[in-house]
Amino acid sequence: AQKVTQAQTEISVVEKEDVTLDCVYETRDTTYYLFWYKQPPSGELVFLIRRNSFDEQNEISGRYSWNFQKSTSSFNFTITASQVVDSAVYFCALSEIKAAGNKLTFGGGTRVLVKP
Amino acid sequence: NAGVTQTPKFRVLKTGQSMTLLCAQDMNHEYMYWYRQDPGMGLRLIHYSVGEGTTAKGEVPDGYNVSRLKKQNFLLGLESAAPSQTSVYFCASSRPGMDKEQYFGPGTRLTVT
Repeated sequence: AQKVTQAQTEISVVEKEDVTLDCVYETRDTTYYLFWYKQPPSGELVFLIRRNSFDEQNEISGRYSWNFQKSTSSFNFTITASQVVDSAVYFCALSEIKAAGNKLTFGGGTRVLVKP
Repeated sequence: NAGVTQTPKFRVLKTGQSMTLLCAQDMNHEYMYWYRQDPGMGLRLIHYSVGEGTTAKGEVPDGYNVSRLKKQNFLLGLESAAPSQTSVYFCASSRPGMDKEQYFGPGTRLTVT
């Protein structure tokens, strides 16, 4: 069965430090997508990034970057030069081709606290 | 566009009472979902719908019922609330396709005493 694990429950950093969030997943499918969502204190989850299982090229988008390694089933997410507004809970999620209805499997979330 | 809206934002129920949570989306999305969020457990799927008139069970469906009579609305019902259903409930919607992101509502905080 599919599973997503975020081992870090909470990370606290000082503004301008980099933050890396770990995500490890389990799936039997060869075709799948991985997502990162952000949940700010207001509560509403917001989509950040996605990566498909066939593209292991790491990318950077602004202050966000992600490292997808299929060999270790990991999809890590980095915030560079963190800001107070980055304080939120971050969720990693998995979508599999065999899952009807685009169902997502979420990890438990990592709370990031950025202190000024 | 309002995106995904949820009604109500907060609710307190007594054990055994019933209620309905309403979700509405204005993005013409085919798929809609109900999740519950509990501390340390991420989001768990309760029920979902891939189109008007269709519903299916998710990971934790017991104690809940849903209906999708109109494409833009997805209702979640609790027939006899229990303290274990104290949670934050999120509705989401998306277009078809495993690569499509889900759009979430602001959540409903439900307390069952």
